[in-house]
Amino acid sequence: GALVYQYPRRTICKSGTSMRMECQAVGFQATSVAWYRQSPQKTFELIALSTVNSAIKYEQNFTQEKFPISHPNLSFSSMTVLNAYLEDRGLYLCGAREGASSDYTFGSGTRLLVI
Amino acid sequence: QQKVQQSPESLIVPEGGMASLNCTFSDRNSQYFWWYRQHSGEGPKALMSIFSNGDKKEGRFTAHLNKASLHVSLHIKDSQPSDSALYFCAVTPSNSAGNKLTFGIGTRVLVRP
Repeated sequence: GALVYQYPRRTICKSGTSMRMECQAVGFQATSVAWYRQSPQKTFELIALSTVNSAIKYEQNFTQEKFPISHPNLSFSSMTVLNAYLEDRGLYLCGAREGASSDYTFGSGTRLLVI
Repeated sequence: QQKVQQSPESLIVPEGGMASLNCTFSDRNSQYFWWYRQHSGEGPKALMSIFSNGDKKEGRFTAHLNKASLHVSLHIKDSQPSDSALYFCAVTPSNSAGNKLTFGIGTRVLVRP
């Protein structure tokens, strides 16, 4: 079956430092990878959508300068939270899918705590 | 900009009862609809999808879609304690790779034994 692994599961970083999180797709080819943030009291905010052979599309309020994303092949993606502050706390979810006809498979997320 | 709203915010259902979750969306071009379920400490998992108007049944779960009314619902029959989770409605305008999935804020379901 299709699985997505995210690591680390949780991490703590000091305010102003950066933190990289990774996403591995197993059992399918991740042609599209979507990075979301789930904050307390909020639903999933889409940060950016990366599709093979297309530029990475960032949503309003999220920038490449703050959340650089790499999607180098069909099984892996990473995202860095640069210069993290309290408002960046939350559960970062990676969702991946193969082609246009399947649903997104999500990982268990990386929970970021900023102190 | 697509807006997806869910109701109720939370729901308590007795074991064996029926849970009904509602979702409305704003973009009339929306074509594909998903229900995701998230248990505590995990990522969301796709429960079922629906693309055509009417009902779609998968086991104890039935989704209903009415595009004209901008409404999709999920009904859980014979609810079990393991159904206790956060349920999210997600909508996309089409299934092409570049289209994003917009989520509602979720309905928290608690099934009481």
